[in-house]
Amino acid sequence: DTEVTQTPKHLVMGMTNKKSLKCEQHMGHRAMYWYKQKAKKPPELMFVYSYEKLSINESVPSRFSPECPNSSLLNLHLHALQPEDSALYLCASSQDWGREYNEQFFGPGTRLTVL
Amino acid sequence: GQNIDQPTEMTATEGAIVQINCTYQTSGFNGLFWYQQHAGEAPTFLSYNVLDGLEEKGRFSSFLSRSKGYSYLLLKELQMKDSASYLCAVREVRSGGYQKVTFGTGTKLQVIP
Repeated sequence: DTEVTQTPKHLVMGMTNKKSLKCEQHMGHRAMYWYKQKAKKPPELMFVYSYEKLSINESVPSRFSPECPNSSLLNLHLHALQPEDSALYLCASSQDWGREYNEQFFGPGTRLTVL
Repeated sequence: GQNIDQPTEMTATEGAIVQINCTYQTSGFNGLFWYQQHAGEAPTFLSYNVLDGLEEKGRFSSFLSRSKGYSYLLLKELQMKDSASYLCAVREVRSGGYQKVTFGTGTKLQVIP
């Protein structure tokens, strides 16, 4: 299994809603990532989890809250988002975070629209 | 911080060869990746360079010159399905264990018949 899965594929939410994005991989990878990608822009790193611990938070607003329940799962909890948070949210995983050759496998993404 | 530059768009003919350049400036360089991203899809890994020189993988090759802060992706025997964005991504390592992969803005390649 060399796949990273993400659910839901599409999400529309209001600014007062609470929702969660889910990501799962069964490749035994110990590093998992959340990226945000706006149209015609590159992916921007949000969070890195290494061995289920948060290793990087790229100054992401607290309305985004990551969670890593176990080595295969990564969640992103959303609360009180703004319309400008509408984007494609990509999850990725790699063998580990410290290894030099560290190809990242990306999931298909969740396209989020905030109304 | 990092500064990664790629051409915004390129057009090439089916069957031809195209070279996509990437220049970067970083204080803690530790590897360069090339990813392919089709519209509306996730990026997929193409190649990785950490030492100077050329890495070849089928129709795709990637070159790195660390002293010049320069890389290119070479695509041979272009096919229509190669129409996509090509993202250069640089891995940066700093003291204290901080490390990060930063993506360039991508080069949108259009392959025409």
